[in-house]
Amino acid sequence: AQSVTQLGSHVSVSEGALVLLRCNYSSSVPPYLFWYVQYPNQGLQLLLKYTTGATLVKGINGFEAEFKKSETSFHLTKPSAHMSDAAEYFCAVSESIRGGYNKLIFGAGTRLAVHP
Amino acid sequence: SAVISQKPSRDICQRGTSLTIQCQVDSQVTMMFWYRQQPGQSLTLIATANQGSEATYESGFVIDKFPISRPNLTFSTLTVSNMSPEDSSIYLCSVETGGGPSGAFFGQGTRLTVV
Repeated sequence: AQSVTQLGSHVSVSEGALVLLRCNYSSSVPPYLFWYVQYPNQGLQLLLKYTTGATLVKGINGFEAEFKKSETSFHLTKPSAHMSDAAEYFCAVSESIRGGYNKLIFGAGTRLAVHP
Repeated sequence: SAVISQKPSRDICQRGTSLTIQCQVDSQVTMMFWYRQQPGQSLTLIATANQGSEATYESGFVIDKFPISRPNLTFSTLTVSNMSPEDSSIYLCSVETGGGPSGAFFGQGTRLTVV
């Protein structure tokens, strides 16, 4: 079974500082990996995804993530944090189910706080 | 992409009662997903719902507790039956579009509190 581990349930950074949210996965097949953001009282929004091809993927709001197979990692970064980045971030891996569809296996989430 | 609307957005319910959550998608989709997010925890898949067939439940979730309807390609409901405080969670509807692992789209969720 596939699994996702997010290191650090809470991360706090200063505005303008580098954001690094860690994600490691376990998968017996080439993984499809995702990062989602959840703002308070809202659903999940897809930030970025890795399926195949380039291992450095860019997403919305200036975020990017790099797939490193040797490290089984998919860490999320942003060069300069903004106050509006404060939210909960979830890393997920997809798992194939019937009919060619995929369910998502989520990590526990990392709450990002940005302070002035 | 897909726009998903969920109703209600939140509710406070008495234990022993049931709540039906509605999920409306702005396009036709074959498969719909229902997830649960317990307080302070991550999301867990409850079941998948294909139009015209019975839902398929994940381990630990049963139809009697979480009956699902899927009457057409744009709509689904999830009922939380005989509620207890342990059912207090956010329930999210999700769809996958574009074929393959393109990433899922989520509704804004239904925040349920059982008292």
